[in-house]
Amino acid sequence: EADIYQTPRYLVIGTGKKITLECSQTMGHDKMYWYQQDPGMELHLIHYSYGVNSTEKGDLSSESTVSRIRTEHFPLTLESARPSHTSQYLCASSPSDTPGSTQYFGPGTRLLVL
Amino acid sequence: GQQLNQSPQSMFIQEGEDVSMNCTSSSIFNTWLWYKQDPGEGPVLLIALYKAGELTSNGRLTAQFGITRKDSFLNISASIPSDVGIYFCAGRGRGGADGLTFGKGTHLIIQP
Repeated sequence: EADIYQTPRYLVIGTGKKITLECSQTMGHDKMYWYQQDPGMELHLIHYSYGVNSTEKGDLSSESTVSRIRTEHFPLTLESARPSHTSQYLCASSPSDTPGSTQYFGPGTRLLVL
Repeated sequence: GQQLNQSPQSMFIQEGEDVSMNCTSSSIFNTWLWYKQDPGEGPVLLIALYKAGELTSNGRLTAQFGITRKDSFLNISASIPSDVGIYFCAGRGRGGADGLTFGKGTHLIIQP
């Protein structure tokens, strides 16, 4: 099981603020992902990375941006938060040598934008 | 994009009963994964399936990768209170992003 951490776990913030959600993993996984999940609903991929300096947009359009400067770190940034950004954000990672895409998830960040 | 149809949406069962849920898709998937998510937490991987027809067990859990590559099921035998949660199927197809396509989840509620 991968050790993957997300901070903060909960964030309440006002409209227009810039926020960064942190994600780090200690397993040396090359692949990392961000998913967005509304309460009780399915997860949607918003960003992914195959390694350092690699970032791609996922299936669901998002106004957030990501960076991958270090293997273990994959932060997500919202330049100007809006109420429509209220959701749970889940980070995941996967080692490159596994068949298929077995992904291990962090505990998530619950974001509430007022 | 690819979509997964997961059913049932919710289940209310008695402790000790067996549980069965499934996912179907109009698209072919190369990998099927089953996750469990507790409230306020991230999904935890239960079983991973990589070959059509594969049947895999993990304790009281059994999952199968359908022979058509378009479906998968998860069975839980002799349910216990800690089995309560939301179960998600997830699949990965060919090409495109390496991320997973998730079903809408099955909410499992166990009555003592």
